Amino acid sequence: GNSVTQMEGPVTLSEEAFLTINCTYTATGYPSLFWYVQYPGEGLQLLLKATKADDKGSNKGFEATYRKETTSFHLEKGSVQVSDSAVYFCALSDGDTGRRALTFGSGTRLQVQP
Amino acid sequence: EAGVTQFPSHSVIEKGQTVTLRCDPISGHDNLYWYRRVMGKEIKFLLHFVKESKQDESGMPNNRFLAERTGGTYSTLKVQPAELEDSGVYFCASSALRTRDTQYFGPGTRLTVL
Repeated sequence: GNSVTQMEGPVTLSEEAFLTINCTYTATGYPSLFWYVQYPGEGLQLLLKATKADDKGSNKGFEATYRKETTSFHLEKGSVQVSDSAVYFCALSDGDTGRRALTFGSGTRLQVQP
Repeated sequence: EAGVTQFPSHSVIEKGQTVTLRCDPISGHDNLYWYRRVMGKEIKFLLHFVKESKQDESGMPNNRFLAERTGGTYSTLKVQPAELEDSGVYFCASSALRTRDTQYFGPGTRLTVL
């Protein structure tokens, strides 16, 4: 079955540091890939997505590239801010079967210190 | 445009009691999903409605969980009787038919079973 593996957290960074959160996946066929973010006290928000190999999703300074050869979708940001402190979830949907259920990773908590 | 809303935001009940969670999707969204996150682990899919029909209920853990979506608008998820392991955060999401993959999530209902 499908699965998503994320790096363990928490990740603690100083403001303006470079961020990478690793995400790898296992899926049959060609899934769509997503990063969702959950800020404290709020629900999940879609951060970015990519639907085919080599696509780059980007939003709010965050980027992730769909790498089929390494089955990865790592999240990066060049300079984090305190306001980026949140839990980040990598997810996929099975593009081949049409089944729309999202498969999530376990989440990575990011703490950015001033 | 209003987002996905869920009620209640928190619920604390005793083992053996019944709880009903409600989700109001974004207006016009035919797809409605339920997920849950237990004990800080990954978010897991429970089921998927298309309008009032259950399209995929492969993630429902057992027959103590009953989901309905009468009239194809809001949905309820009833847990009866609740067990300790049902504690967690229950998320609802919705999506439009024309945007196949993007699911918009509600803030979640935190359920605590004592």
